[in-house]
Amino acid sequence: DGGITQSPKYLFRKEGQNVTLSCEQNLNHDAMYWYRQDPGQGLRLIYYSQIVNDFQKGDIAEGYSVSREKKESFPLTVTSAQKNPTAFYLCASTEQGAGTEAFFGQGTRLTVV
Amino acid sequence: AQSVTQPDIHITVSEGASLELRCNYSYGATPYLFWYVQSPGQGLQLLLKYFSGDTLVQGIKGFEAEFKRSQSSFNLRKPSVHWSDAAEYFCAVGTPYNNNDMRFGAGTRLTVKP
Repeated sequence: DGGITQSPKYLFRKEGQNVTLSCEQNLNHDAMYWYRQDPGQGLRLIYYSQIVNDFQKGDIAEGYSVSREKKESFPLTVTSAQKNPTAFYLCASTEQGAGTEAFFGQGTRLTVV
Repeated sequence: AQSVTQPDIHITVSEGASLELRCNYSYGATPYLFWYVQSPGQGLQLLLKYFSGDTLVQGIKGFEAEFKRSQSSFNLRKPSVHWSDAAEYFCAVGTPYNNNDMRFGAGTRLTVKP
């Protein structure tokens, strides 16, 4: 079945560590996105990529980095510069073009310990 | 930039009762509007979407939504709620230009009483 796979489901990070969240899709979608979800704030866009080897900052990119070396993969690194990284992270993908449905992964819950 | 407001943070309804979740958007032209549902600890699933045409849109799981331009609203409705509908619901607004500018509301958590 086609879909988006995020791993791990739960992730714990010590202060000062970088961690990488995985996102893989087999939908053959060109565009991929990372969102951060905090209680009562909805989803906020961190980074997006419309094509391989290209990505753009979203509204809250500070303290995060991404890469898009393959169409299927869009990993997100939460760096030590992110001061409040504890959150639920969602990866999504869409076909190119406006108004197409976003398909979401199951999310990764990151907790700083 | 466009924005969306969901005025109700939490709604409780009895099983079998009707449901209406409110969504108001801000955008200068006709927006692209979406409703997504999220079960606890899961990703989001699309319920329905509106781009143009008929202002009453049918979705999955018996949901429908009505686009009212005069009120800048896109409220989600269901005639009879089932216990399995308990979840968080997000309204989202996009533009006709690209998906990268999609904005999500803060969500409405639905509790269903037996």
